[in-house]
Amino acid sequence: QKEVEQNSGPLSVPEGAIASLNCTYSDRVSQSFFWYRQYSGKSPELIMSIYSNGDKEDGRFTAQLNKASQYVSLLIRDSQPSDSATYLCAVKDSSYKLIFGSGTRLLVRP
Amino acid sequence: DTGVSQDPRHKITKRGQNVTFRCDPISEHNRLYWYRQTLGQGPEFLTYFQNEAQLEKSRLLSDRFSAERPKGSFSTLEIQRTEQGDSAMYLCASSAPGTRSGDEQFFGPGTRLTVL
Repeated sequence: QKEVEQNSGPLSVPEGAIASLNCTYSDRVSQSFFWYRQYSGKSPELIMSIYSNGDKEDGRFTAQLNKASQYVSLLIRDSQPSDSATYLCAVKDSSYKLIFGSGTRLLVRP
Repeated sequence: DTGVSQDPRHKITKRGQNVTFRCDPISEHNRLYWYRQTLGQGPEFLTYFQNEAQLEKSRLLSDRFSAERPKGSFSTLEIQRTEQGDSAMYLCASSAPGTRSGDEQFFGPGTRLTVL
């Protein structure tokens, strides 16, 4: 059973701080990794994709991938209350489907 | 709006009834996926199409579930003889042909199903 694990949270950070979200996966052959943001009652929104070891930055978001440790993370700099949501880590398996973690709930305190 | 669209957005039905959901993918996206999400969980894969061909089905997809994409454009997901355990958000996603960018899946707004 291929798995993607996330801490359910909530992760609470003050406004302006860095939020760090983590994810581990079990399938060593995975090559594509994604972070989705999901507001309550809404559908997932793709915010970052990463395919190579190292860091990938997009605005206030940085995704980090370590395939040897089977670890993906998402950093959100200068966190805003509007960033409060559930963040889903997803891994593409050997076909085209995504395997999702159960998500980490982030709460940014004003 | 050129994103993925789904219809209806909400469906309330009685146990035992049949329901059908529609998904229209992003134009020119040849892959279309169906997922199901329950409260507190991430989306779970149900099935996916490349053009009109259904290439993979999850074991979650019992015989009561059927999906089609007859002309390689929109797709329908039908649930027959609904059960209370079918209550969930049904999500459709699509992705473009190509290399790495083709792995990125974009979700529609979902159809929330409530079975009474």
